[in-house]
Amino acid sequence: AQKVTQAQTEISVVEKEDVTLDCVYETRDTTYYLFWYKQPPSGELVFLIRRNSFDEQNEISGRYSWNFQKSTSSFNFTITASQVVDSAVYFCALSRDAGGTSYGKLTFGQGTILTVHP
Amino acid sequence: ETGVTQSPTHLIKTRGQQVTLRCSSQSGHNTVSWYQQALGQGPQFIFQYYREEENGRGNFPPRFSGLQFPNYSSELNVNALELDDSALYLCASTAKGFQETQYFGPGTRLLVL
Repeated sequence: AQKVTQAQTEISVVEKEDVTLDCVYETRDTTYYLFWYKQPPSGELVFLIRRNSFDEQNEISGRYSWNFQKSTSSFNFTITASQVVDSAVYFCALSRDAGGTSYGKLTFGQGTILTVHP
Repeated sequence: ETGVTQSPTHLIKTRGQQVTLRCSSQSGHNTVSWYQQALGQGPQFIFQYYREEENGRGNFPPRFSGLQFPNYSSELNVNALELDDSALYLCASTAKGFQETQYFGPGTRLLVL
């Protein structure tokens, strides 16, 4: 069975602070995909990143960066110089490789509520 | 904007009633997945449709059913509504195959009284 744990329920920071959102996952699959989604108050899940389990290279996109460590089953997300517009719920998700009879079911964590104060 | 649309945006029903939620997938996307998100929780996978057939189902009872149409739009039907069915229902569409990224619509907020 697959499981995603986001231990931080809520994080509150002041604008321009850096913040890291933790994600730990469990899977027996050797090939899988990891995702981060952002959910603003409007409710729509906004895709941020997808990472294949074979690709452990860290990625940076503007103020966002992701640290994938297969050895510790973690896929952490850092926002540098946070802004008020970053306030949202952030979800980490896991899906198995859709070979054979598998399908792209996403298993989500419980989410981390990020509040950035001015 | 993902191009995935859902209707209605909000809905209020009473226990025991039936409801139909609709989703139009992004152009070129042939796979649609449905998720239920209870308040304060992460989304839970309901089922997925690929080329008009159910292709995987989560831990939901048979009163949750769906359809996918030739234009790849989809419906989620819930019979005999229960209070615990109150949630945000999210639809996601995917291009080509199952491992592609899922892009979500804005959701339908269902309240069961």
